[in-house]
Amino acid sequence: DTGVSQNPRHKITKRGQNVTFRCDPISEHNRLYWYRQTLGQGPEFLTYFQNEAQLEKSRLLSDRFSAERPKGSFSTLEIQRTEQGDSAMYLCASSQISNQPQHFGDGTRLSIL
Amino acid sequence: GQQLNQSPQSMFIQEGEDVSMNCTSSSIFNTWLWYKQDPGEGPVLLIALYKAGELTSNGRLTAQFGITRKDSFLNISASIPSDVGIYFCAGAASTGANSKLTFGKGITLSVRP
Repeated sequence: DTGVSQNPRHKITKRGQNVTFRCDPISEHNRLYWYRQTLGQGPEFLTYFQNEAQLEKSRLLSDRFSAERPKGSFSTLEIQRTEQGDSAMYLCASSQISNQPQHFGDGTRLSIL
Repeated sequence: GQQLNQSPQSMFIQEGEDVSMNCTSSSIFNTWLWYKQDPGEGPVLLIALYKAGELTSNGRLTAQFGITRKDSFLNISASIPSDVGIYFCAGAASTGANSKLTFGKGITLSVRP
């Protein structure tokens, strides 16, 4: 039984570069969520999918951010033209459609130089 | 936007002691969850609460969903060193635990052996 898997675990990049993260949810979980967590704060909601449909996006998700879940399984989160303020831990979670709690992966830590 | 309040920011207890944490909100939440996060890892679900007034236990942990739906409490009994970590409360205002979550800032728990 595998949990939510996120890759890479760490990403260091220069300001202005594009980065892409991947999340593999728990098998048969229909819902997939992205959150961002900065130091000393709790996770903040970014967006979520039900199967391949993106159902909600936070205003935190600027135009430079795009998330996809093309086949309703894994998801990618891309950040274009990265900025210093994008440095954070990006967490993915998944759950079933029924009223079941979200389970988180260990995140991708992004550092912008 | 909605916010969950957790205080104090840090708690220091002696091994074997009980500790209680609370989480409050100015808004109503329909589901409350408690997560624990260790450094460099994602949040791990401890307890999920679905009904106002509900009291649920998970081993040495007990949590309650406040009757007003604006607060929740987590109690840890007979603390042990591995209880060290950051404890987050999270609430879902919408249809359930599988909708977007709002997190508190967390409480860092230290346990002295």
